[in-house]
This record gives sequence, C-alpha cells and structure tokens, in this order.
Amino acid sequence: DTGVSQDPRHKITKRGQNVTFRCDPISEHNRLYWYRQTLGQGPEFLTYFQNEAQLEKSRLLSDRFSAERPKGSFSTLEIQRTEQGDSAMYLCASSTGLAGVNEQFFGPGTRLTVL
Amino acid sequence: AQSVTQLDSQVPVFEEAPVELRCNYSSSVSVYLFWYVQYPNQGLQLLLKYLSGSTLVKGINGFEAEFNKSQTSFHLRKPSVHISDTAEYFCAVNTGGFKTIFGAGTRLFVKA
Repeated sequence: DTGVSQDPRHKITKRGQNVTFRCDPISEHNRLYWYRQTLGQGPEFLTYFQNEAQLEKSRLLSDRFSAERPKGSFSTLEIQRTEQGDSAMYLCASSTGLAGVNEQFFGPGTRLTVL
Repeated sequence: AQSVTQLDSQVPVFEEAPVELRCNYSSSVSVYLFWYVQYPNQGLQLLLKYLSGSTLVKGINGFEAEFNKSQTSFHLRKPSVHISDTAEYFCAVNTGGFKTIFGAGTRLFVKA
C-alpha cells in the first residue's frame, strides 16, 4: 500500500496522559499536514511541514501539542496532558508540487478518546 | 480570511435520482476550490478541483461542479446517484498557500 498511513487507528487514554501519533506520508511527498476533525465538522488545519521544516502552526494549537518531522519523512504529533476536549479524529495528509493547488492525500486518521 | 459554508448538513436521495450538494465560499482574493469525499473508515479523497479556466469541472465517479464567481459558489452535482455514493462530502478552498479551509461537510445518504 503506497498511501498515507497513520498509527494507531484508535487511542483511548485517560485525562492527563500523554499520547503520540505517527503519520507515514507517501514517500515522494515533501509536504505534510495535520488536521483535527470533530463530529459534524470538516478537517481543521493544525500544522504544516515542508520537508523537515514546520512552517506553520495554527493558533488553535495549544502549547500541549507538538509535531515533528525528522529527516522529512514520517511525522509525529504529541499531545501532552490530554484533556477531554482533545477527543477528535486526527488526520494526516501529504502532497507534492505546488502548495494549495495539488491534491492532498489523506490517511485514515487516528481517533482519540480522552476519558 | 477565507471561509466555506456547506448549506446542507444531510441530503437524503433515492437511488438513480439527481443530487446537488451546495457550497458557498468567502474570500477577498482568487481561490482554488475542491470537493473531497470521505467514505466510512477511510481517508478523504479528491473528487475534483477548480484552479482556473472552464467553470464546469468534471471529477471522478460521474460528479461535476460549477464555479460561479458572482455567486461565490461551487456546487457539486451528479445526474444519477448510486447506493455506493453514500458518504460525507467536503467542500474546501485555498488561496494558493498551504492552508486549505474545509466546510463542515454534507452527508449524502442514498436510499434504495
């Protein structure tokens, strides 16, 4: 399978715990995006990487959230001291070519439930 | 700032009937417009996009959309739907940067 993969697909955690999600983009894609999707809403932009550089981070992203993309390949999204409001689907997407113009390829998402 | 409004949260329709999913956007600059589809337990996938040129855009699975600049709309249509078209559809806008803004989605439910 050469698509975008995400791991784990589901995560249940207790409030206050830390969680980390992984995204493996399509191998030749230099652009990587993280989104959050809550019930009844569309994907909401969180952060963007071009190769290994994190170029933009949404103001919605609190200091408890951090993302990395070492070596410009896979990416991780960590949430520290989780809160119930963090419960959502976390989506990763990748693309190549011109930003904003080319198709983004999405992974299946990681569903986080914070108890 | 850009925004996207999908006017219907749910659209029920009978199989083989036509369907239109409505999308309006707001932007002070030129936009690129997209429709994505999300099937259950799958990631979003691109149906079609408008970048420039002809305002009628054809996509996969028999869908098409028309860009109307004066009405700031990008409605999605299909002349005859199938059960397999049951999914959530997202309209999205981008102004040429890396940030794409998505609408809240329209759930299309095709009934036999």
